[in-house]
Amino acid sequence: GQQVMQIPQYQHVQEGEDFTTYCNSSTTLSNIQWYKQRPGGHPVFLIQLVKSGEVKKQKRLTFQFGEAKKNSSLHITATQTTDVGTYFCAKVTGGGNKLTFGTGTQLKVEL
Amino acid sequence: DGGITQSPKYLFRKEGQNVTLSCEQNLNHDAMYWYRQDPGQGLRLIYYSQIVNDFQKGDIAEGYSVSREKKESFPLTVTSAQKNPTAFYLCASGQYEQYFGPGTRLTVT
Repeated sequence: GQQVMQIPQYQHVQEGEDFTTYCNSSTTLSNIQWYKQRPGGHPVFLIQLVKSGEVKKQKRLTFQFGEAKKNSSLHITATQTTDVGTYFCAKVTGGGNKLTFGTGTQLKVEL
Repeated sequence: DGGITQSPKYLFRKEGQNVTLSCEQNLNHDAMYWYRQDPGQGLRLIYYSQIVNDFQKGDIAEGYSVSREKKESFPLTVTSAQKNPTAFYLCASGQYEQYFGPGTRLTVT
């Protein structure tokens, strides 16, 4: 399956700075999911977006789904060291619940 | 305590040997999945199963085999035909969002 492209691949920020990762698809998406993987850990589900233009917030995290449903973004306000990890988007492919994961954005937060 | 367990956490094998990775879930999920993750890379789907006694190939099934005889269990066998078996293997279950196990790091030398 075609992977979903994410940019940037890596991001280093100072603690307190904001961070954004973008997920882009060449095809229209039925929905998009976001996962976080801490270093040495396993991916953990964060959220699912379904509607065109949808915006959802979880504390300092803001998730957006594009109007054309071809892109999505995750924005973290005032990063903390606990935000360190790799953030993946994932799209539903084929029938049912099969996911294709994006390439991921690795976030490092420096004090 | 509900969740997904994978064992062992680390596994070492010699080239030419088949090895089976365990995945068990008590979340009562019909669907289960196996992914492979290489250093600094995303997750690639190996096999998935939407119901007991049925499974489908994912994007990189060559050199792998699975079975799904029980709802709770979805073991993955890495065969000697897999050219680059050293990787981090993740099992997941779930109908919409997926819940991942802690993973097995397989090293083949």
